[in-house]
Amino acid sequence: GQQLNQSPQSMFIQEGEDVSMNCTSSSIFNTWLWYKQDPGEGPVLLIALYKAGELTSNGRLTAQFGITRKDSFLNISASIPSDVGIYFCAGQLFRDTGNQFYFGTGTSLTVIP
Amino acid sequence: NAGVTQTPKFRVLKTGQSMTLLCAQDMNHEYMYWYRQDPGMGLRLIHYSVGEGTTAKGEVPDGYNVSRLKKQNFLLGLESAAPSQTSVYFCASSLNLGETQYFGPGTRLLVL
Repeated sequence: GQQLNQSPQSMFIQEGEDVSMNCTSSSIFNTWLWYKQDPGEGPVLLIALYKAGELTSNGRLTAQFGITRKDSFLNISASIPSDVGIYFCAGQLFRDTGNQFYFGTGTSLTVIP
Repeated sequence: NAGVTQTPKFRVLKTGQSMTLLCAQDMNHEYMYWYRQDPGMGLRLIHYSVGEGTTAKGEVPDGYNVSRLKKQNFLLGLESAAPSQTSVYFCASSLNLGETQYFGPGTRLLVL
């Protein structure tokens, strides 16, 4: 299957610091999505990106769709304790055989008060 | 408005047993999805449906079957469970393709 390489695997940061994580692939994607998952719950969509080069913000979160369509990054500014969780990137491919969705392996974020 | 619900929340099966996981959504979404989540593997798409009566294979469909007899329900079946199917299963739905997917709380399945 497709590989979405997400890094870093885990992060431990001080409250107030900025966070950056990224996702890369050898395939070209049509859509990039970023999700957050809290323990014991399903993922919740944070940001969706639909065009190469697109830069979108959602509060303290900013994400970009890479120009090559093979990567995306997510930044969190001024982190707070409730930012703790696992962040997943996801990519969508449109194919003749049907649309396919792939998730990255996740970045576990710990915010130290 | 409950969003996406999944039953059961937790189940233990013996190898070879069968079971069906139920996903229900009350948002009138056309698209529904079944994923499995394993440690270090992220979420992998098993099957999805683009509307009532239609299903399609995802990334890891082997060993699973699905049915979408009603728009609000998406069933995931395991005919003969194997230990490799021990996982957390998430259902999701979206109004259109590429739009926000809303996830259920997950079903934790242990196959002994």
